[in-house]
Amino acid sequence: AQTVTQSQPEMSVQEAETVTLSCTYDTSESDYYLFWYKQPPSRQMILVIRQEAYKQQNATENRFSVNFQKAAKSFSLKISDSQLGDAAMYFCAYRSASPTSGTYKYIFGTGTRLKVLA
Amino acid sequence: ETGVTQTPRHLVMGMTNKKSLKCEQHLGHNAMYWYKQSAKKPLELMFVYNFKEQTENNSVPSRFSPECPNSSHLFLHLHTLQPEDSALYLCASSQALAGYYEQYFGPGTRLTVT
Repeated sequence: AQTVTQSQPEMSVQEAETVTLSCTYDTSESDYYLFWYKQPPSRQMILVIRQEAYKQQNATENRFSVNFQKAAKSFSLKISDSQLGDAAMYFCAYRSASPTSGTYKYIFGTGTRLKVLA
Repeated sequence: ETGVTQTPRHLVMGMTNKKSLKCEQHLGHNAMYWYKQSAKKPLELMFVYNFKEQTENNSVPSRFSPECPNSSHLFLHLHTLQPEDSALYLCASSQALAGYYEQYFGPGTRLTVT
């Protein structure tokens, strides 16, 4: 079975600085997808960035980028020029490329709470 | 309404009550999910429906009873809950087709069992 581990329960970053959130996963599959989701306080969980395992190039979305190391099964999220609105819980998630019983299952980590200091 | 909506947003119930949580998605997706989110624990997948058919029941106690009348609506019926069932219950949807990847989440229902 696949597992996702986020070893940093909480992180802090100064506004305008850069922070990296860690995520490792375990799987025997060769094809899969990885995600970072953001859950602001009392607000909806939204997708931040997605990485396809078959792509060597790291995904980027504006100030958000990932460092995907497939052999090491590592998938870290880098937030550049941190803003107060980036404060949230960040969840790393894994999804197989092939469905089971016609459905895709998502495996989530325990989350990292990011505080942004003004 | 757009995206995934959930009602109620907050619910307080006694252990002998019966209540229901509702989820509706306006995205045309065919898969819907119930998750339980507790502090310092990974999101726990509870149930998955694909085209209204339940495809996953993650060993959830029978005091939680899901219902999916169509691909847009999902309910979670609750009865004789325990205090440890207090948590944030999240609904999500996705398109269970190749080429579509991420889940879309609702805002959740904060459940407190007294």
